[in-house]
Amino acid sequence: AQRVTQPEKLLSVFKGAPVELKCNYSYSGSPELFWYVQYSRQRLQLLLRHISRESIKGFTADLNKGETSFHLKKPFAQEEDSAMYYCALQGGSEKLVFGKGTKLTVNP
Amino acid sequence: ETGVTQSPTHLIKTRGQQVTLRCSSQSGHNTVSWYQQALGQGPQFIFQYYREEENGRGNFPPRFSGLQFPNYSSELNVNALELDDSALYLCASSFSGAGNEKLFFGSGTQLSVL
Repeated sequence: AQRVTQPEKLLSVFKGAPVELKCNYSYSGSPELFWYVQYSRQRLQLLLRHISRESIKGFTADLNKGETSFHLKKPFAQEEDSAMYYCALQGGSEKLVFGKGTKLTVNP
Repeated sequence: ETGVTQSPTHLIKTRGQQVTLRCSSQSGHNTVSWYQQALGQGPQFIFQYYREEENGRGNFPPRFSGLQFPNYSSELNVNALELDDSALYLCASSFSGAGNEKLFFGSGTQLSVL
């Protein structure tokens, strides 16, 4: 069975500080992993996916198969990064499975 | 390019009633997925439609059903509503192939069951 765990419901950092949003997954095969973000009063949207190995808005995420993790990182948080972040997994023919989300607040 | 639109935005029903939620896909997309998001939870996959056929289903009872139309718009129907069906229902469209496609979400329909 596929499972995504985001251990932190809330995360608060100061502007300019590094931020790391944790995501651990459970899946026996080779997963596709994604981070989705929902800014205040906006719809859920894709932030990045591991297959693209891209950096979006300064965020990066590395898939660690040994630790079954896909943590989202940014070296210097900005106030506009405040949002709800969801880690999601897609394995084989299964559809996207989301974690419960982490609410990030970046304080001035 | 038109985004994903859902209607209605809010809906109040009573237990035992039936409800139909609607979704218009983003232009050029042929796949629609429906998700249920309860308060404080992540979106939970209900089912997906690809070229008018159900293409995967999550752990939801048969009283949750759907349709996809030739123009790729979609409906989610829920019969015999229960209090626990109160949630935000999200529609997402994509262009599919073989999966792993990028999903584009609508703003959702907030359903309250009293």
